[in-house]
Amino acid sequence: EDQVTQSPEALRLQEGESSSLNCSYTVSGLRGLFWYRQDPGKGPEFLFTLYSAGEEKEKERLKATLTKKESFLHITAPKPEDSATYLCAVQARTGGFKTIFGAGTRLFVKA
Amino acid sequence: SAVISQKPSRDICQRGTSLTIQCQVDSQVTMMFWYRQQPGQSLTLIATANQGSEATYESGFVIDKFPISRPNLTFSTLTVSNMSPEDSSIYLCSVTEGVDGNTIYFGEGSWLTVV
Repeated sequence: EDQVTQSPEALRLQEGESSSLNCSYTVSGLRGLFWYRQDPGKGPEFLFTLYSAGEEKEKERLKATLTKKESFLHITAPKPEDSATYLCAVQARTGGFKTIFGAGTRLFVKA
Repeated sequence: SAVISQKPSRDICQRGTSLTIQCQVDSQVTMMFWYRQQPGQSLTLIATANQGSEATYESGFVIDKFPISRPNLTFSTLTVSNMSPEDSSIYLCSVTEGVDGNTIYFGEGSWLTVV
């Protein structure tokens, strides 16, 4: 069964303290892995799509990487405005467009 | 990316009533989906809204409880029927877009509280 596990559940950082969020996945043939940011009471905001092991993508202070079993979202020198829940999701090649989401990591960045 | 608008953004509903959520996209899209996010939990796919035909429901979701319409390529509705407090959730409309057509984009969501 396709599955996504994110860790940690919650992460508290000081402003400027870099760290990484983990997304472990099990899928029968990966079509794509997605990262989203979600603020309270809002819909998820798309960040990145990764397709194959070794791929990396960057956006401002965020960098996403992918291996055959997991993905990392690296946050460099975070700011308080980076505080949000970060969601990881996968699509299988044989699952149509069905997207399986992880439970998310709640990130708190303190000034 | 497409702009996805949902109405209502928030509502408080009485137990036993039904509410219809509207989703409008500013461009024609092939695939539209409805997700549910219960408090403190992640997103669960309810159904794929098919243009001109019946929606495709995921396991655990049925048409009688969540009837969906999609009359054209830019609009869909989700009705939450005979609501109970367990239906209190954010309901999210989403579409696929992007070069590969795989990435899913979401609207702002409709936050329903059932009392």
